[in-house]
Amino acid sequence: DVKVTQSSRYLVKRTGEKVFLECVQDMDHENMFWYRQDPGLGLRLIYFSYDVKMKEKGDIPEGYSVSREKKERFSLILESASTNQTSMYLCASSPAWEDTQYFGPGTRLTVL
Amino acid sequence: AQRVTQPEKLLSVFKGAPVELKCNYSYSGSPELFWYVQYSRQRLQLLLRHISRESIKGFTADLNKGETSFHLKKPFAQEEDSAMYYCALSRGAQKLVFGQGTRLTINP
Repeated sequence: DVKVTQSSRYLVKRTGEKVFLECVQDMDHENMFWYRQDPGLGLRLIYFSYDVKMKEKGDIPEGYSVSREKKERFSLILESASTNQTSMYLCASSPAWEDTQYFGPGTRLTVL
Repeated sequence: AQRVTQPEKLLSVFKGAPVELKCNYSYSGSPELFWYVQYSRQRLQLLLRHISRESIKGFTADLNKGETSFHLKKPFAQEEDSAMYYCALSRGAQKLVFGQGTRLTINP
């Protein structure tokens, strides 16, 4: 059974703080994704990665960066958190050449 | 541009009634479409994909290329079907674009 875990379920940070969201998958998947989930907007892709040290911008990369130093781990970084980054963040993974994605439980981030 | 539209934010039906969640897409190529579901306090998970042509939990979805639709249907709703449903389109290179989501509530 595919398992995607995220480091925190809930996180509260202050404006201007640097924030790290961690995602780990245990199925040796090549592809990993970061989305934010907002009511009325659905899921929007922030960044994705096809392999270690590879990263590509998604639809809304502004204000975010990512890191993938190991195949199983994909980190989302908010360099200077702002209130408009308050959201639910979902990580997902998939095998190479496979469209079906497996999601983590999400991290609800609040920026005050 | 690839786009997925779910016109209903909220849908409420009575138990035992038929359910149809609408999904329309725009895509120039041959589409691959999915329905994902998120039950309360659970993670988002795949419900079905059109290439599988299978029925999951009594749900089916037919791709209609003429109407560019992929509506999700179930003949008799059950209370455990209450959830958030997302339609998604593969836009190549294993990336998905999601619709806005429909919150389905089944009333007893």
